[in-house]
Amino acid sequence: QQQVKQSPQSLIVQKGGISIINCAYENTAFDYFPWYQQFPGKGPALLIAIRPDVSEKKEGRFTISFNKSAKQFSLHIMDSQPGDSATYFCAAVRWISGSRLTFGEGTQLTVNP
Amino acid sequence: EPEVTQTPSHQVTQMGQEVILRCVPISNHLYFYWYRQILGQKVEFLVSFYNNEISEKSEIFDDQFSVERPDGSNFTLKIRSTKLEDSAMYFCASSGKNEQFFGPGTRLTVL
Repeated sequence: QQQVKQSPQSLIVQKGGISIINCAYENTAFDYFPWYQQFPGKGPALLIAIRPDVSEKKEGRFTISFNKSAKQFSLHIMDSQPGDSATYFCAAVRWISGSRLTFGEGTQLTVNP
Repeated sequence: EPEVTQTPSHQVTQMGQEVILRCVPISNHLYFYWYRQILGQKVEFLVSFYNNEISEKSEIFDDQFSVERPDGSNFTLKIRSTKLEDSAMYFCASSGKNEQFFGPGTRLTVL
């Protein structure tokens, strides 16, 4: 019940294309959903996050879409760039200070020039 | 911009040895965490720490693990007797309220 499922495992996109990564969760107690970007040898860096009271959040080229009834959320990267090539992790957590993050399995994104 | 720092960046140890991984959280944060990531796998929660005590721990965090905030700035993870399967990246994170910020990690290699 604590799991977060993420797909696809890897994704190759051409420069300028749209990258879409999907996640699904089971535990309805989760109420904060961040996405982290990780470059090789680095720690995860918070990219964008959403709470379930909205269905979409956009920050620059990054958009989270959230479907509360389906318990699914996705990250869309518009106009993907080679510099976006990284591993992306979705996560879920209870909106209580000190709660643990539960991560998805990760998606390795490659954006070809 | 404040950031979480971790030392060392890479630690190599023999099986059965004790290791201490060190972290300096962001200065005004109150919640501290350790996560680990086995090569090619997802990030897994180990333990959270608040007000000088463990607030939550996972099933991975057994008696071989301990955490401490020895002073006002450092936060440490100790593994008493390392096993081969402890080889992983260990990330420290801290948060003020909800958003967790991660350090660059310590790569632990157990031989």
